[in-house]
Amino acid sequence: AQSVAQPEDQVNVAEGNPLTVKCTYSVSGNPYLFWYVQYPNRGLQFLLKYITGDNLVKGSYGFEAEFNKSQTSFHLKKPSALVSDSALYFCAVRGQYSTLTFGKGTMLLVSP
Amino acid sequence: NAGVTQTPKFRILKIGQSMTLQCAQDMNHNYMYWYRQDPGMGLKLIYYSVGAGITDKGEVPNGYNVSRSTTEDFPLRLELAAPSQTSVYFCASSYRQDGSSPLHFGNGTRLTVT
Repeated sequence: AQSVAQPEDQVNVAEGNPLTVKCTYSVSGNPYLFWYVQYPNRGLQFLLKYITGDNLVKGSYGFEAEFNKSQTSFHLKKPSALVSDSALYFCAVRGQYSTLTFGKGTMLLVSP
Repeated sequence: NAGVTQTPKFRILKIGQSMTLQCAQDMNHNYMYWYRQDPGMGLKLIYYSVGAGITDKGEVPNGYNVSRSTTEDFPLRLELAAPSQTSVYFCASSYRQDGSSPLHFGNGTRLTVT
């Protein structure tokens, strides 16, 4: 069975600094990987995905993610954090019938 | 274009009561899903559907039922509500069978069972 691990419950970063939110996965075969963001009292919003091709994937709001097959990781990055990036971030891996298995989520707090 | 619409937004149930959480999408997506979100636990798949008339269990189906009579609607039924079903419920839909399309989520239903 596939699984996703997000080892950090919370990441704190100062505005303007680079941020990284970590994700590792376990899946048989080639992974389809996703990052979603959740703002308070809202549903999840799609940020980016890795299906195949370049290991560096660019997504919405200036976010990008680096796929590393040897380390089975898919870390989310942004060169310069904004206070408005503060939210709950989920990594997910695709399963059968396009179902997603999610990590437990990482709360990102960006301080002014 | 409304996307995925969930009703109600909030609900309080007493133990043993039943209710239906409504979900509708207007994107003509074949695939639809129900997830529940509990603090610190991420999202868990309850049921999913790959088209009208076809449903299947996810990771945590006990205590729930679904139906899919139309492409647009995918209601989730709770029978005999229990405190363990206190959660935030999200409905989602997806277009492509190959899994490359992201899921589109509704804004959720916050359910409390007391």
